[in-house]
Amino acid sequence: DAKTTQPPSMDCAEGRAANLPCNHSTISGNEYVYWYRQIHSQGPQYIIHGLKNNETNEMASLIITEDRKSSTLILPHATLRDTAVYYCIVRVVIQGAQKLVFGQGTRLTINP
Amino acid sequence: DGGITQSPKYLFRKEGQNVTLSCEQNLNHDAMYWYRQDPGQGLRLIYYSQIVNDFQKGDIAEGYSVSREKKESFPLTVTSAQKNPTAFYLCASSMRTVWSSGNTIYFGEGSWLTVV
Repeated sequence: DAKTTQPPSMDCAEGRAANLPCNHSTISGNEYVYWYRQIHSQGPQYIIHGLKNNETNEMASLIITEDRKSSTLILPHATLRDTAVYYCIVRVVIQGAQKLVFGQGTRLTINP
Repeated sequence: DGGITQSPKYLFRKEGQNVTLSCEQNLNHDAMYWYRQDPGQGLRLIYYSQIVNDFQKGDIAEGYSVSREKKESFPLTVTSAQKNPTAFYLCASSMRTVWSSGNTIYFGEGSWLTVV
């Protein structure tokens, strides 16, 4: 299974852009990159996903490098409620079933 | 509202007892999953099911069992054979896909199991 590498923790000032990096150097051509976040004792919340192109939605932007070996999640205007653990995940499909391979994630702290 | 419902939120079990965690979804999703999360760790896949009456072992299936008799339900039984069952358990679901565009996996709010 493809694996991801993320920094264990990051800090960001409220109102600034939070840029969370992720390395996935062993990713295969048909494997999607997903981002989820988890607030303590809650289920992970979907943020965004992409394959090759950059993606944007109401929550965040996802920038994927041309070689697809790394990506960056951007929260454009971070708020205190964005404090959470962020998981960069590679989705693999095995025998028709999706599997999300979770790493340790990045603990993002938004400071006032 | 559509979503995934897990129950109970908190459960205490005595050593040697089996316990069943409930997971129900009304999203009309074909695939369902069970993950385990230990404190400060990422999620690990226990079992998954693509269709009714079919399921496969994930990465840490030992000591667990599941059933998929209905599309909307995927209960997880933590048996006495599971040596370290205290953990946070998460149920998830998604549309069944094969080599297609990215369908999202949605998670429930989780169940805390503590062995006392």
